[in-house]
Amino acid sequence: QVQLQESGPGLVKPSETLSLTCTVAGYSISTAYYWGWIRQPPGGGLDWIATINHSGTTYYNPTLRSRITMSMDTSNNQFSLNLSSVTAADTAVYYCVRGEDDILTNACDYFDFWGQGTLVTVSS
Amino acid sequence: SYVLTQPPSVSVAPGKTATITCVGDNIESKNVHWYQQRPGQAPVLVISYDLDRPSGISERFSGSNSGNTATLTIATVEAGDEAAYYCQVWENSGEHVVFGGGTKLTFL
Repeated sequence: QVQLQESGPGLVKPSETLSLTCTVAGYSISTAYYWGWIRQPPGGGLDWIATINHSGTTYYNPTLRSRITMSMDTSNNQFSLNLSSVTAADTAVYYCVRGEDDILTNACDYFDFWGQGTLVTVSS
Repeated sequence: SYVLTQPPSVSVAPGKTATITCVGDNIESKNVHWYQQRPGQAPVLVISYDLDRPSGISERFSGSNSGNTATLTIATVEAGDEAAYYCQVWENSGEHVVFGGGTKLTFL
């Protein structure tokens, strides 16, 4: 069974960089699939952030693109998110996810495995 | 950018059928996926590629997609079905994932 676990600080100051890591168990991230991040503000809906696949193909939410960096650490079976210049609007539960990779179109289809989520609050 | 519109809430009597819609321009040309999110939990995939049920998902959940509307149908609604439901597609032109705003299913 594939399991994903987010880790990182729960409190980040405004204007600083939010950094999260997702550790994957039960599947090697270098084999296949997309790996990514989705967030949910308190009381709000789901907001896709970014995904990266085993070949390095990366897709970003256009509204966040300029502030996002995603990377993969295949030796530790982890992937990471950096979101710079955060504001209170970035306060949310952040989920790491596995996405289905359409090998014909390179589309990121559905998300079949999710981490439990980690709340990140942006506040001074 | 591509927009998916869902009703904020749908109410249904226990044992009846619930229908949740997801409206988008020519959505029938896209693959639509649906998620259930119970309070305090991570979302769970309940329908993929318009109408496929992942392993372990009840047969009471079904999906369809035609024209500008994709639909999630939940038959014989039970207490455990009270949750938020989200539709999602891949937007080819912009190369990004799009979620609907979510629909909260509640009992009458």
